[in-house]
Amino acid sequence: QSVLTQPPSVSAAPRQRVTISCSGTSSNIGSNAVNWYQQLPGKAPKLLVYSDDLLPSGVSDRFSGSKSGTSASLAISGLQSDDEGDYYCATWESSLKGWVFGGGTKLTVL
Amino acid sequence: EVHLVESGGGLVQPGGSLRLSCAASGFPYSTIAMNWVRQRPGMGLQWVSTIADNGYDRWYADSVRGRFTVSRDNSKNTLYLQMRSLRPEDTAIYYCVRVPGFGGNGWMFDPWGQGTLVTVSS
Repeated sequence: QSVLTQPPSVSAAPRQRVTISCSGTSSNIGSNAVNWYQQLPGKAPKLLVYSDDLLPSGVSDRFSGSKSGTSASLAISGLQSDDEGDYYCATWESSLKGWVFGGGTKLTVL
Repeated sequence: EVHLVESGGGLVQPGGSLRLSCAASGFPYSTIAMNWVRQRPGMGLQWVSTIADNGYDRWYADSVRGRFTVSRDNSKNTLYLQMRSLRPEDTAIYYCVRVPGFGGNGWMFDPWGQGTLVTVSS
């Protein structure tokens, strides 16, 4: 089991909005920044969101991140077919002194 | 442009050893922490190890501590992962990842290399 909990899958129609949750504890999400990564089929992961809600240069503003307490969320608006892939949250785990990932969420655009 | 290119993966028997390399370019390599992250076939991402820019401070996941050693040669812009006592469960794609902002809340894993596949099997 992963330290961070994500739903295994989410789906929505094109142009709709979807959110992916990431649940943790006070020793990880509750006290450290959260990043989100996108992994398209057959590709290496790519940074989508850092420091809870900041977008790196070049990432579409259809993506947004938020955090409250020990949970974080990634929202994707205006869904497109090429958004299909796996999405992972990550943060530092203070008790383990290492990074932890969520189990990943598979996004399907219907 | 930042580039990370891993090499050294392959098939190895259980109990064997392998050394992965990651050639970095396009940024001041000696000033940035680096990570290894792996992904077992069909599974999620798992952090393996981090090395600070100075090469002295290192962190490991419990699953590899004592068997894997991370190092870097800042004169060659290269990151290494020496893997010993390999187990079938170490079978994975191993990614080299740059970690700007390490040590603060502005950290990020960016970018990722294309990965190198390690298969541990008899």
